Amino acid sequence: GAVVSQHPSWVICKSGTSVKIECRSLDFQATTMFWYRQFPKQSLMLMATSNEGSKATYEQGVEKDKFLINHASLTLSTLTVTSAHPEDSSFYICSAPDGGSNQPQHFGDGTRLSIL
Amino acid sequence: AQSVTQLGSHVSVSEGALVLLRCNYSSSVPPYLFWYVQYPNQGLQLLLKYTTGATLVKGINGFEAEFKKSETSFHLTKPSAHMSDAAEYFCAVSTRYSTLTFGKGTMLLVSP
Repeated sequence: GAVVSQHPSWVICKSGTSVKIECRSLDFQATTMFWYRQFPKQSLMLMATSNEGSKATYEQGVEKDKFLINHASLTLSTLTVTSAHPEDSSFYICSAPDGGSNQPQHFGDGTRLSIL
Repeated sequence: AQSVTQLGSHVSVSEGALVLLRCNYSSSVPPYLFWYVQYPNQGLQLLLKYTTGATLVKGINGFEAEFKKSETSFHLTKPSAHMSDAAEYFCAVSTRYSTLTFGKGTMLLVSP
């Protein structure tokens, strides 16, 4: 079945550094990918929709300058958390649909980001 | 606009007992409905989905769910719980081209 690979799975870094998270569709092409954030014991909140070859679409309240998204190819989207601070610590998950519509989505295994 | 309500943040069952996780949705257009499972520190795995057609859908690991339009429900069931079923379960709603809206999740606890 369709597989989405997310890397790295764990990141621990100092406050002020930038962190890049990669999301790859391994056996299918994805013109659209989605980035979610999940706080402990809470649901997933959509941050942005990544569009291959064009600008990402951000949800209300998500800082686009803080969370930079690049979708340079049909199999790779990256999320860069710039100048990370402790409040950015969270579990970030990407997903991608493998059909002509947005559903169903296949999820990566997530990235646990801890900012010290 | 669409929304999902999952009744019960935690559900506890004994191994071998029936599992019932409740989900009600709200959608202004015919919905697509999903159940995902999440194990600790992992992403989400699709259990089953309803888009069109048969209202009783079967998924992986013995789970099934029934779409009831009159009740705006999509409850998840499994006849006999296993220890390995202990995880967080998310119900989600969307339409063909919209994004997913997730419920708050239900943690399933299975005791021996």
